[in-house]
Amino acid sequence: DAKTTQPTSMDCAEGRAANLPCNHSTISGNEYVYWYRQIHSQGPQYIIHGLKNNETNEMASLIITEDRKSSTLILPHATLRDTAVYYCIVRTNQGGKLIFGQGTELSVKP
Amino acid sequence: SAVISQKPSRDICQRGTSLTIQCQVDSQVTMMFWYRQQPGQSLTLIATANQGSEATYESGFVIDKFPISRPNLTFSTLTVSNMSPEDSSIYLCSAPAAGEYGYTFGSGTRLTVV
Repeated sequence: DAKTTQPTSMDCAEGRAANLPCNHSTISGNEYVYWYRQIHSQGPQYIIHGLKNNETNEMASLIITEDRKSSTLILPHATLRDTAVYYCIVRTNQGGKLIFGQGTELSVKP
Repeated sequence: SAVISQKPSRDICQRGTSLTIQCQVDSQVTMMFWYRQQPGQSLTLIATANQGSEATYESGFVIDKFPISRPNLTFSTLTVSNMSPEDSSIYLCSAPAAGEYGYTFGSGTRLTVV
């Protein structure tokens, strides 16, 4: 399974863009990059996923480098409710299971 | 996407006893997953539950300790057996959402073993 590396923690000012990086240098050609977040005491919430192209939805944007060895999750206008642990996950092609790393604890501050 | 109802939401149990956690999905899914989240830690996959076959356990987890049932395509249970305080964790179930749009998680069971 491809591994991911994320910073342990980040701060972001409310209203500013939050850019969360992730390294996945051993990703295989048919593996997707998924992002989830977990707000305290809740189950993880799906944010976005992508294979090669950049993706955008109502929650966030996902930028994947051309070599696919890293990606960045962008929350365009962070709010206090975006404070959470954000997980970057490479989805294995063996049974579709999700393996979680340690994630990035994002703190959005007023 | 699929909605998962998980219960109980929390429990306090005596050491040596067992607790069964239930997850009900509002649509049929081929696979369900069970995770453990120890205090202050990330999620660790316990096993994958397929309907009609035995669950597949990850390294470090065994069926005698965490027996899993999957009687149909919408339901699964995880039992934490012969509990000790080290089993105090949040246990979560998960299932694929519609299409490729991620996986849905239950709200978790917060277990405290005393």
